[in-house]
Amino acid sequence: DAGVIQSPRHEVTEMGQEVTLRCKPISGHDYLFWYRQTMMRGLELLIYFNNNVPIDDSGMPEDRFSAKMPNASFSTLKIQPSEPRDSAVYFCASSARPLKSTSTDTQYFGPGTRLTVL
Amino acid sequence: QKEVEQDPGPLSVPEGAIVSLNCTYSNSAFQYFMWYRQYSRKGPELLMYTYSSGNKEDGRFTAQVDKSSKYISLFIRDSQPSDSATYLCAMSEGFQKLVFGTGTRLLVSP
Repeated sequence: DAGVIQSPRHEVTEMGQEVTLRCKPISGHDYLFWYRQTMMRGLELLIYFNNNVPIDDSGMPEDRFSAKMPNASFSTLKIQPSEPRDSAVYFCASSARPLKSTSTDTQYFGPGTRLTVL
Repeated sequence: QKEVEQDPGPLSVPEGAIVSLNCTYSNSAFQYFMWYRQYSRKGPELLMYTYSSGNKEDGRFTAQVDKSSKYISLFIRDSQPSDSATYLCAMSEGFQKLVFGTGTRLLVSP
């Protein structure tokens, strides 16, 4: 398997523009996560899906952020309008539910999209 | 106060040294404790996980969880230059919703 695929790898845009980040999870995984990583705040969970349905979006910073998962192999994170404080590395991760309650679900991360908003 | 606290480092050690990385947390409901390793410009990858309290060993790596003190550790024996990376602790109450520390940057010099 190719692992989690994210595009683009780098995005530079101007304040006010719409930004769309894309993710293809590992085939067969039924959980998909969007994270944001900054030096100050570390890695933060924004939203996660189970079987294409959003389960918890409490980490989404504000209404300018939205995420969709139209099918099991594709998800998008959209920022509209973008602001300089949105500059960060955005990661997508996917996992499968573990078989035992004492096991954890290994989340496999993509390479990330480095977003710079000028 | 953050839910998970981790010293950002950097922590610089010579090759062969024993490395100790630590996190403290405030949520007593956390049951799953993980260590992720992140190389520069890459996504994090799971290194070890522990369910509830106790120790777990995997090769040169040992993870310890002390729930009474809300303290977790990762030990690396015989550290190698290839261990140079950022180490992120993560924890959760149940499945999926992980809370990460900010990461400790480790530099192992030859």
